[in-house]
Amino acid sequence: NAGVMQNPRHLVRRRGQEARLRCSPMKGHSHVYWYRQLPEEGLKFMVYLQKENIIDESGMPKERFSAEFPKEGPSILRIQQVVRGDSAAYFCASSPGQGPNTGELFFGEGSRLTVL
Amino acid sequence: GEDVEQSLFLSVREGDSSVINCTYTDSSSTYLYWYKQEPGAGLQLLTYIFSNMDMKQDQRLTVLLNKKDKHLSLRIADTQTGDSAIYFCAESIRSSASKIIFGSGTRLSIRP
Repeated sequence: NAGVMQNPRHLVRRRGQEARLRCSPMKGHSHVYWYRQLPEEGLKFMVYLQKENIIDESGMPKERFSAEFPKEGPSILRIQQVVRGDSAAYFCASSPGQGPNTGELFFGEGSRLTVL
Repeated sequence: GEDVEQSLFLSVREGDSSVINCTYTDSSSTYLYWYKQEPGAGLQLLTYIFSNMDMKQDQRLTVLLNKKDKHLSLRIADTQTGDSAIYFCAESIRSSASKIIFGSGTRLSIRP
């Protein structure tokens, strides 16, 4: 029973390059969340998606960042023209969705982006 | 506003109890959570409490909720070295779909 799978686990990019982070939710989960964890800081909400829809992107920077969760395949967090300040751990989480549940999130192990 | 605050560090002696505190701001929260993050790993849910409860106990863990003061605490009895981790307090935001807001995390270290 695979949990939330994120890849790559580690990614190194030079300033100006693009970073693509992938997340496959747990089986049966239709809701995906992306969080960013800066060194020595907590988790900051970025975006919440359901299949083919962005539900809440209030935590996404206005420029260079985008997210999608297509009908088929993993959710993608894309960062264009990366800068050093984008270096962080990016965590994906999934949940079964709405309905009578506790809202528990199931987290992946994170993708650690380093921008040189 | 949406904000969850916790102290950054806590050090306790092995065998003692650890108490990690958290304050939150959204009075419409439905659930409040404690997550644990071990080094290099993702977060795992430790326990949660529904907002109409005052206390929840689960083995060595006790969660206390003071809704009037918007204060949540996690008590770990008989703290062991394996409890060393970062503990995140989180609240669900009823007004914003299923968004969950996390605190900055409390790093718990255990002294021998």
